[in-house]
Amino acid sequence: DQQVKQNSPSLSVQEGRISILNCDYTNSMFDYFLWYKKYPAEGPTFLISISSIKDKNEDGRFTVFLNKSAKHLSLHIVPSQPGDSAVYFCAASAIGRGGKLIFGQGTELSVKP
Amino acid sequence: DTGVSQDPRHKITKRGQNVTFRCDPISEHNRLYWYRQTLGQGPEFLTYFQNEAQLEKSRLLSDRFSAERPKGSFSTLEIQRTEQGDSAMYLCASSFSGVRSYNEQFFGPGTRLTVL
Repeated sequence: DQQVKQNSPSLSVQEGRISILNCDYTNSMFDYFLWYKKYPAEGPTFLISISSIKDKNEDGRFTVFLNKSAKHLSLHIVPSQPGDSAVYFCAASAIGRGGKLIFGQGTELSVKP
Repeated sequence: DTGVSQDPRHKITKRGQNVTFRCDPISEHNRLYWYRQTLGQGPEFLTYFQNEAQLEKSRLLSDRFSAERPKGSFSTLEIQRTEQGDSAMYLCASSFSGVRSYNEQFFGPGTRLTVL
């Protein structure tokens, strides 16, 4: 069963515009959520995280929103830059599970100049 | 460079051979994780260690797979009698488990395994 889902395999946006990447989860025990960015032939790079006690976390151009009632989170990138082009994974973990991460399938973001 | 390192970066082997991968975590991190990623999918959890103790193994980790972390430092992942279905990117990550309940995991560059 896919506990973390990213339903959009790809997203294309214009440079300078907002990129919104979405993620849904089913396990109500998840209480910590992370976004990773991955370039080809490299490991995932940590981007931003949010605890379930918050509904928003911001770091520079990146903001993550969490809607616990809808079991939905989103990553906003404003403004988008060509260097943001990569595959983005959302991941979740549950307290007491040793930090084990459950990943979504990924969304490939393409930012066009 | 004080990040997570993995060796080798690429491995091509014939079906039935054994392979071993190594991961060196960030030095102050006490947790080490192994994940596997196939094309078009996100990383899937395989196993993790806290210091030298292996605390959880996924159902994905068949008895052909074994992982160790002697002395709580580097870790090895061995696959015996490799099968074509083992072809994947094997990722290692580390984190620090302290007073704070939640800690980000930092990933290495991965080992790409191809089984012919």
